[in-house]
Amino acid sequence: AQSVTQPDIHITVSEGASLELRCNYSYGATPYLFWYVQSPGQGLQLLLKYFSGDTLVQGIKGFEAEFKRSQSSFNLRKPSVHWSDAAEYFCAVGAGGYNKLIFGAGTRLAVHP
Amino acid sequence: SAVISQKPSRDICQRGTSLTIQCQVDSQVTMMFWYRQQPGQSLTLIATANQGSEATYESGFVIDKFPISRPNLTFSTLTVSNMSPEDSSIYLCSVVVGDDGYTFGSGTRLTVV
Repeated sequence: AQSVTQPDIHITVSEGASLELRCNYSYGATPYLFWYVQSPGQGLQLLLKYFSGDTLVQGIKGFEAEFKRSQSSFNLRKPSVHWSDAAEYFCAVGAGGYNKLIFGAGTRLAVHP
Repeated sequence: SAVISQKPSRDICQRGTSLTIQCQVDSQVTMMFWYRQQPGQSLTLIATANQGSEATYESGFVIDKFPISRPNLTFSTLTVSNMSPEDSSIYLCSVVVGDDGYTFGSGTRLTVV
C-alpha cells in the first residue's frame, strides 16, 4: 500500500537560511510525487510535482525537490527562506492517472526574523 | 490549471443537522475527489466521485454519513449528515486536469456545535 512519511512535524529556521523538508514514500512502482503548501486558513497550493524525467524538479516560489529512487525520498529544498514561507507543507504520492493522493502528516514551518 | 469554486467557505452548524458542500469546476473532469482535514491533521480521502456512477468510498467512510452527488462533469456535492462535533473539519474537493496534477478547492471550514 502507498504511504508517505514526513519525519519532521515542526521545523523552525531563520529568515535567509536554507531549508530542507524530508519526505519518504512507499510505493511499488514509479510514483507521482507532489509537494503542497497550506497557509493558515487557506487551501492547498501546488509547489511542484514529479512524474518522470529529470529527478531535480523546480517549482514555484524558489522551491525545488529531488527524487531519489534508491532512498524512496522526495525532499523539498529552498536556498533562502523568506518570512512568507511560514506555512504547513504536505508531501503526497499518487499512482498516476486519476487515482487518489496519499498525504503525509505535514511539516509546519516557522520562520524567525 | 483548473479553477475550483467551493461553497460555503465556512459554516457553524448545530449537531444533528446536515450540511451540503458544493464544488464547481471550470472545466469538465472525469473524477472529483473529496477530502477531510481534521484540526491539526493531514488530508484523508473520503470518496472519489465519478459522473454517472456511485461514488467510491474509502475505508471508514460510508454513504449514509457522506452522500455524494455528481450530476455532471463540472459539479459535485458532499453532504455531511447528522453532524456531531467530531465532524468539525475542513472539507476539500479536488480534481485532476491533464498534466497539471491535482488542484484543490479553497475548502469548507465546518464547525459543529
